[in-house]
Amino acid sequence: DGGITQSPKYLFRKEGQNVTLSCEQNLNHDAMYWYRQDPGQGLRLIYYSQIVNDFQKGDIAEGYSVSREKKESFPLTVTSAQKNPTAFYLCASSIRVEGQPYEQYFGPGTRLTVT
Amino acid sequence: GEDVEQSLFLSVREGDSSVINCTYTDSSSTYLYWYKQEPGAGLQLLTYIFSNMDMKQDQRLTVLLNKKDKHLSLRIADTQTGDSAIYFCAESINSGYSTLTFGKGTMLLVSP
Repeated sequence: DGGITQSPKYLFRKEGQNVTLSCEQNLNHDAMYWYRQDPGQGLRLIYYSQIVNDFQKGDIAEGYSVSREKKESFPLTVTSAQKNPTAFYLCASSIRVEGQPYEQYFGPGTRLTVT
Repeated sequence: GEDVEQSLFLSVREGDSSVINCTYTDSSSTYLYWYKQEPGAGLQLLTYIFSNMDMKQDQRLTVLLNKKDKHLSLRIADTQTGDSAIYFCAESINSGYSTLTFGKGTMLLVSP
């Protein structure tokens, strides 16, 4: 089955530790995205990547880092510099079809709790 | 700047119609989208509308777009308890790999 996988579903970390969230897709999509979701805040874009070895900051990139070494994978590292890391993190991917809207396919999300 | 606004909560009875509203600010939006999120899950695209359209119908879903007022609505006919979820309105500015700007989401609660 094609899709996006995020692991783990739940993640717990101590304050001051870096943590990496996994996102893998087998849809052959070029673009991938990371969002953060907080209650009542909707989705906010952290980073996105349109092609391998290239990525751009979103609206709230501070305290986060990403890499895009492979088309299928776009891991997100939440560093100790992120002030409020506890949130629900969503990964998405999309493909461009000329003249069509691009649909972002979402993974199931990782709920990160930092104490 | 881009901004998408939605009411936060809507409660309806099973069998009634639900109407979820959204306003956006960027007049250069090319596509507008409705996504659904069930508890603890990712988002699923429900439908979209191109900015030069006024209405789009897809089974129980009707999308209305008032471009002059920058107002988008999603009507769900014969709402079922399985429709209970958070609904997000989103806009994109161009048809390339542009990013989506999401509203904060409307929580729809359907009671039996």
